Amino acid sequence: SQKIEQNSEALNIQEGKTATLTCNYTNYSPAYLQWYRQDPGRGPVFLLLIRENEKEKRKERLKVTFDTTLKQSLFHITASQPADSATYLCALDPAGGKLIFGQGTELSVKP
Amino acid sequence: GAVVSQHPSWVICKSGTSVKIECRSLDFQATTMFWYRQFPKQSLMLMATSNEGSKATYEQGVEKDKFLINHASLTLSTLTVTSAHPEDSSFYICSATPGTSGLDTQYFGPGTRLTVL
Repeated sequence: SQKIEQNSEALNIQEGKTATLTCNYTNYSPAYLQWYRQDPGRGPVFLLLIRENEKEKRKERLKVTFDTTLKQSLFHITASQPADSATYLCALDPAGGKLIFGQGTELSVKP
Repeated sequence: GAVVSQHPSWVICKSGTSVKIECRSLDFQATTMFWYRQFPKQSLMLMATSNEGSKATYEQGVEKDKFLINHASLTLSTLTVTSAHPEDSSFYICSATPGTSGLDTQYFGPGTRLTVL
């Protein structure tokens, strides 16, 4: 069956460290994968999109990798700050322009 | 730019009543809008895809007669939960995209918290 899996356990890190979140998928061949941030009681906010032919994408302190062989994407936040604390969702397109989301990983950055 | 609003932000209703939720794209024309539902600590689940001027496409397991979707203009889509029951209590989120391509970024609304008593 098709699955998108993110680490359901919350990730707790110290301010200034690099946070690394994982997104694994099975039985999909997505053309691209997206990462979103969601704060409690709010809708997701788009962060980054990476296409299947791209290995890595960067935006300020964010970096995303996409390994279509491993069927995995890694999301990194460098020099993390308490304001980065949120739930991070990965999403991919099975077809037809719609998105399927992982369950999200909650990140907590302690000062 | 690319702002999507939802109204209301929260609503409490009695079991058996109907509730309408509006989703508006404020600064762009949304060819396609999506409706999601999210239960606590769970992922967003796509309910339906709506294109302006045509019938919505519902995901498997979503009752189209219970969740009525109308996409009457390029800036407005509505979701009506008919004969709501406590199990319909959830966080409903819409998103909008200006294009029809799968590579278009979706812009999400802030969500509507529905509580059915």
